[in-house]
Amino acid sequence: QLQLQESGPGLVTPSETLSLTCTVSGGSLSTSSYFWVWIRQPPGKGLEWIGSVDYSGSTYYNPSLKSRVTTSVDTSKNQFSLELRSVTSEDTAVYYCARIGRYPHNWLDPWGQGTLVSVSP
Amino acid sequence: QSVLTQPPSVSGAPGQRITISCTGSSSNIGAGYDVHWYQVVPGTAPKLLIYGNNKRPSGVPDRFSGSKSGTSASLAITGLQSEDETDYYCQSYDTSLSGFYVFGTGTKVTVL
Repeated sequence: QLQLQESGPGLVTPSETLSLTCTVSGGSLSTSSYFWVWIRQPPGKGLEWIGSVDYSGSTYYNPSLKSRVTTSVDTSKNQFSLELRSVTSEDTAVYYCARIGRYPHNWLDPWGQGTLVSVSP
Repeated sequence: QSVLTQPPSVSGAPGQRITISCTGSSSNIGAGYDVHWYQVVPGTAPKLLIYGNNKRPSGVPDRFSGSKSGTSASLAITGLQSEDETDYYCQSYDTSLSGFYVFGTGTKVTVL
């Protein structure tokens, strides 16, 4: 059974870079059938897609975040990562990693349990 | 940011049937893209409830069902149980500047 687990600092200073890693277990990240995705949920708000990366390193980003986001993959460690630069309090959120199938199978399953990242001095 | 609209809250008594709507536009649901539904319990991994508009993953009770028509979709929960009290989100694919994957605004289900 495929499982995903987010890891990284729970507190980031404004203007700095938020860095998170998602470790995939119970299966390989190196498959052409899926993308690996980052999603976030600010407190009291809805879900927002941040960006996606596949095993070859191909990326797609939310246009509203594209200038600040980088996603990457490390197939040797079965991990993928998120970097969000120049963070502000607006970036405080629970960050989830998940797997999504290629179109038309573009549903998210499974998800990680999420990690809360707070942006504060 | 959300381009799919859901009612903020829906409530029902135990055993009743409720529905949650998800309204989109011609660049997502109306363009023929599938709708998927998730159950989000704070502190736990969100769970896929419905994929491809009306299909249930293995392990999801048949109390949950989905449908789609035009620019909207719906999630129905029959035989409402106390454990169903949490948040639900729809998701689809979008071809506008909003990005590829878009979510609904979310609906809080309350079991009275």
